[in-house]
Order: sequence, then structure tokens, then C-alpha cells
Amino acid sequence: GNSVTQMEGPVTLSEEAFLTINCTYTATGYPSLFWYVQYPGEGLQLLLKATKADDKGSNKGFEATYRKETTSFHLEKGSVQVSDSAVYFCALTSGGSYIPTFGRGTSLIVHP
Amino acid sequence: GAGVSQSPRYKVTKRGQDVALRCDPISGHVSLYWYRQALGQGPEFLTYFNYEAQQDKSGLPNDRFSAERPEGSISTLTIQRTEQRDSAMYRCASSLGTLTGGNEKLFFGSGTQLSVL
Repeated sequence: GNSVTQMEGPVTLSEEAFLTINCTYTATGYPSLFWYVQYPGEGLQLLLKATKADDKGSNKGFEATYRKETTSFHLEKGSVQVSDSAVYFCALTSGGSYIPTFGRGTSLIVHP
Repeated sequence: GAGVSQSPRYKVTKRGQDVALRCDPISGHVSLYWYRQALGQGPEFLTYFNYEAQQDKSGLPNDRFSAERPEGSISTLTIQRTEQRDSAMYRCASSLGTLTGGNEKLFFGSGTQLSVL
């Protein structure tokens, strides 16, 4: 079956630090991969996606590259801001079902 | 409305009572999804609708859980004879069209936090 594994949080960084949040997956077929973000008190919203191997999704300074050889989709940002503090969810769709399967989420806390 | 709206925001109930959770999707969105999220976990799929038709209910944990979307817009998730293990955040999402490969984009509501005492 499909599953997503994310690093445990919280991840605590100072402003302008480099961010990496690890995500690995298990899937049937050729999955599409996603990162969703949940700001405090809000619903999840799509941050970026990649639909085939070696694709790079990017948005708001965040990037993630679809690595088929390592079954990974790590989220990175070169310089985080306090406003990036949120919970980040890695997700995938695969196997003929386009309904996303989510990881457990990784909380990011950015200090000024 | 501008986003997916869920009500109530918080629901506290006693074990054995029935609860109904409401979801009002973004206007014009064809598909509607229900997820459950336990503390410290990611959202877990429950069921989804295209228009008024329930397409997949494989994620509903048992027959105490049911959902409907009679007019293809607002949806209600009903839990009968609630148990403490039902306590979780229940999230609704909608999408503009039916999901196809690579075009999946869900818009989530803020959720209903259910506590069963």
C-alpha cells in the first residue's frame, strides 16, 4: 500500500537558517508527490507538487525534488522566516487512486 | 463562501450520543472529501463524493460512521453512538473537479475538533 514517512518534529530554527524536512515514501506504480502546509488555526493548503521523477516543485521559496532512486521528496528552503512557522505535510497519490495519502506532519518553529 | 467552511469548530459530547458534523465546500467544487486527523498524525481518508454520489467510503472505520451530500453541495458526517476513540479533528476538503493524475489539489477547512467524554 501507499505510505509516507516524515521526520519527527518539531524543527526549531533561527530566522534565515536553511531548512530541510525529510520525506520518504512507499507506493505502487508511479506516484505524484505533494507538500501541504497548515498555518495555525487554518486548514491544509497545497504548497508544491511534482508528478514525475526528477521534477522539482517550487513555491514561496520552498523546493522539493522527486527522487525515484531514493523514494524521497525532501522539502528545502534557503532562508526561513518567522512567518514560515507551520506544520508541513508530505503526501502522495498513486495506484489509480488520486486521493492523497498524508504523512504525520512536521512542525516548524522559526525564531526571530 | 471564500473557503471550505466547517461547523461546529469544536464539539464536546458524551459517549453514546450521536453527532453531526457539517461541511460547506467552496462554491462550484465538484468533489468533497472527509478526513480524520488524530493528534500528532496526518489526515486519514474517510470518504469522498463527486457531486451527490458517494464514490468511496472505504476509509470509514465502522458502520457507526456515515456521510451524505444530498444536493451535491453541503455534506454531513454523522457518527452514531460515539466512543472515546472517535475523538479527533475531522477535516473536510473540496476540489474543483474530480481528481486526475497530477492535478490533485485539495482545499481544506479548519476542521471540527470532536471530543467524546
